[in-house]
Amino acid sequence: SQQGEEDPQALSIQEGENATMNCSYKTSINNLQWYRQNSGRGLVHLILIRSNEREKHSGRLRVTLDTSKKSSSLLITASRAADTASYFCATGAGSYQLTFGKGTKLSVIP
Amino acid sequence: KAGVTQTPRYLIKTRGQQVTLSCSPISGHRSVSWYQQTPGQGLQFLFEYFSETQRNKGNFPGRFSGRQFSNSRSEMNVSTLELGDSALYLCASSAGTGAYEQYFGPGTRLTVT
Repeated sequence: SQQGEEDPQALSIQEGENATMNCSYKTSINNLQWYRQNSGRGLVHLILIRSNEREKHSGRLRVTLDTSKKSSSLLITASRAADTASYFCATGAGSYQLTFGKGTKLSVIP
Repeated sequence: KAGVTQTPRYLIKTRGQQVTLSCSPISGHRSVSWYQQTPGQGLQFLFEYFSETQRNKGNFPGRFSGRQFSNSRSEMNVSTLELGDSALYLCASSAGTGAYEQYFGPGTRLTVT
């Protein structure tokens, strides 16, 4: 069953713009992770934020977590055509079982 | 380090047959998880193995099974294939000792006809 729900389902932006994706979840979590998937291939781990953290950065990525609202956001700054992919949030409750959302399909137009 | 490898990459089977998929985790990783990805249901957790023991299991019928070997390599088996089993099957490995990041293989695309 899906716990995370990403919003929007699809996003189209120009190269150089920022892209923001949101994720909401339903139950208590230990951590929340973001993954990227290119065209039906394997998922690439982007960033993990623990439930006691509010914000985390990695390169052009910024993730926030609001456990009171059960929501997270992923910001990709200065997007590139190579960022075109589907992005998934996944929640973990302290085990290695991840529950994924349905993803946001990002298109970056050169 | 080499990444997670999965074999075969593509597979076509007929309804009623069985299939075995293989996964080799990143060297040193002891946790292996399996996920099924379909357009309708998205990414769903199948099971997770650590040190040859199944630690977690998703909500799939008993036709789906798995195992892990002493070298951490894992296999999953689907018996009596149904058309709905057509999916991308993804394997992920993790250190398994409190580091929750998972590293995915390229997947096996299974088509059931």
